[in-house]
Amino acid sequence: QSVLTQPPSVSAPPGQKVTISCSGSSSNIGNNYVSWYQQLPGTAPKLLIYDNNNRPSGIPDRFSGSKSGTSATLGITGLQTGDEADYYCCTWDSSLNAGVFGGGTKLTVL
Amino acid sequence: QVQLVESGGGVVQPGRSLRLSCAASGFTFRSYGMHWVRQAPGKGLDWVAVISYNGDTEYFAESVRGRLTISRDNSKNTLYLQMNTLRIEDTAVYYCGKCRGNDCYSIDYWGQGTLVTVSS
Repeated sequence: QSVLTQPPSVSAPPGQKVTISCSGSSSNIGNNYVSWYQQLPGTAPKLLIYDNNNRPSGIPDRFSGSKSGTSATLGITGLQTGDEADYYCCTWDSSLNAGVFGGGTKLTVL
Repeated sequence: QVQLVESGGGVVQPGRSLRLSCAASGFTFRSYGMHWVRQAPGKGLDWVAVISYNGDTEYFAESVRGRLTISRDNSKNTLYLQMNTLRIEDTAVYYCGKCRGNDCYSIDYWGQGTLVTVSS
């Protein structure tokens, strides 16, 4: 059972928009920065969003992040088949003194 | 370009030890904290440990505390994960990752991973 809760799967047609939620608590999301990672099948994770809503260079602006209270959201617009992957949220938990990942969300573009 | 290359994985019996290495290049290794993250077969990402840029500060996941230790040799640009008293549930691909900033909230570069299989 993950400290951060994500939906196991989401789906949407190509060209549409999808959001992936990540729910936590005051000891993690509520008081620390959130990052998001994309993991394509058989590959290492890749940083998509850092510090709640910032994109590293090279990440298209179709990807966005936001945080409100103890929840965070990843948004993806203009869905492409190449976006099919697992997506993970991550933050620090100040009570556990440990990093924590969400359980992951599998995105299907159908 | 930043490169992280893990090594040292393999098949090991329960209760035995293993040491993983992560060779870093393409950035000033001594200036950045480093993480270990693992992924059991077919499962999600599981944070393991983090070490500060100078090795003075370490944090561990509760599931590995007391059995796994993280260390680094800044003269060799190498990160280590010493794994003792291994359990079946430690079977996973182990990734090393570079902290994006001083606060280590995010990992901006990841290695390709090394597979550790704990089996009798």
